[in-house]
Amino acid sequence: GAVVSQHPSWVICKSGTSVKIECRSLDFQATTMFWYRQFPKQSLMLMATSNEGSKATYEQGVEKDKFLINHASLTLSTLTVTSAHPEDSSFYICSALPGTSGSRLDTDTQYFGPGTRLTVL
Amino acid sequence: EDQVTQSPEALRLQEGESSSLNCSYTVSGLRGLFWYRQDPGKGPEFLFTLYSAGEEKEKERLKATLTKKESFLHITAPKPEDSATYLCAVHDSWGKLQFGAGTQVVVTP
Repeated sequence: GAVVSQHPSWVICKSGTSVKIECRSLDFQATTMFWYRQFPKQSLMLMATSNEGSKATYEQGVEKDKFLINHASLTLSTLTVTSAHPEDSSFYICSALPGTSGSRLDTDTQYFGPGTRLTVL
Repeated sequence: EDQVTQSPEALRLQEGESSSLNCSYTVSGLRGLFWYRQDPGKGPEFLFTLYSAGEEKEKERLKATLTKKESFLHITAPKPEDSATYLCAVHDSWGKLQFGAGTQVVVTP
């Protein structure tokens, strides 16, 4: 149990284009999902928190107009990197927090997806 | 200020050579201490959640323990497939997950 998927696993795009990354909780419902960014040899950096049906909360220094987050359902959140530039190249990872209703999982534990490698040329 | 410190930064072990990783933390009101394993190019894989001092959890060759100020991840008789970066994290005062820098473990045959 507690499987989180991301799609795509890697993407290469040209500077100026937009890229959408999907995060799905496959076997549980997630009222809250998180988006992280990880640079080489560094730990995870939280970008934003998204709750189903409401606007995402962005961390200080993260441009909300560049990184659009939509938490459309209890199992799907998307991150769209708009007008991507080479400096946006990174490893993006999502996580999901199980909801409290009838969950067999620990509701305080974040379960992570496999990550998406974005390269902007 | 909430803080998570992991040591050592890197650990090189021979297969079968047991060792421990340390995670010391300062946080107002612990709401859970989490251990994850991360392989290169992949997302963190959940290992354990600990909530109170004295709590212990085991999974195969791994055992996690918790005191009021730190947590240990013991690796017993490691195998090469245990090579990974081990991440420790706590919920900070804002309810967000705060990670340590990780311990990179390499187990050689």
